[in-house]
Amino acid sequence: AQSVTQLDSHVSVSEGTPVLLRCNYSSSYSPSLFWYVQHPNKGLQLLLKYTSAATLVKGINGFEAEFKKSETSFHLTKPSAHMSDAAEYFCVVSLTTDSWGKLQFGAGTQVVVTP
Amino acid sequence: EAQVTQNPRYLITVTGKKLTVTCSQNMNHEYMSWYRQDPGLGLRQIYYSMNVEVTDKGDVPEGYKVSRKEKRNFPLILESPSPNQTSLYFCASGLVPVKNIQYFGAGTRLSVL
Repeated sequence: AQSVTQLDSHVSVSEGTPVLLRCNYSSSYSPSLFWYVQHPNKGLQLLLKYTSAATLVKGINGFEAEFKKSETSFHLTKPSAHMSDAAEYFCVVSLTTDSWGKLQFGAGTQVVVTP
Repeated sequence: EAQVTQNPRYLITVTGKKLTVTCSQNMNHEYMSWYRQDPGLGLRQIYYSMNVEVTDKGDVPEGYKVSRKEKRNFPLILESPSPNQTSLYFCASGLVPVKNIQYFGAGTRLSVL
């Protein structure tokens, strides 16, 4: 069965410094992987997705993620954090051969950005 | 504006009192789903629907019911709520061909006393 582990429950960064959010997955098949962001009191919004095309995926708001099959990882990065990046981030895995709506969410990483 | 609308946003109720949380989308999406979010657990899927009159269980369906009589609406029904159903609930929708991208509502925070 597929699963996803977010290695940090809480990350604190200074404004203007890089952000790294770590995600490892386990899957018997070639997975689809996603990062979603949840701002306070809001629903989730898709940041980016990997679906077996290019391994370096660019998303919205300057975020990108790299799919590394050998390491079963899909880490999210941003070169320079902005105050508006403070939010909770979820790594999500889905089997490409599974029924369409089955998603496995990670437990989430809370990002705090300090001035 | 394209959106997924949930109502109510906040709800406090008592054990055993039936309630319904509504979800409506205006994007003509075939797919809709309900999730609950609990601290440290991420989001867990309750039920999903591939189209009108087609629903299936997710990972945590116990204590919940759904119906899909119209494409745009997907209500979540708690026939006899219990305190362990206190949670933050999200409805989501998407197009079946655009695999696995979902659009989320703003959430419903439910407290069962």
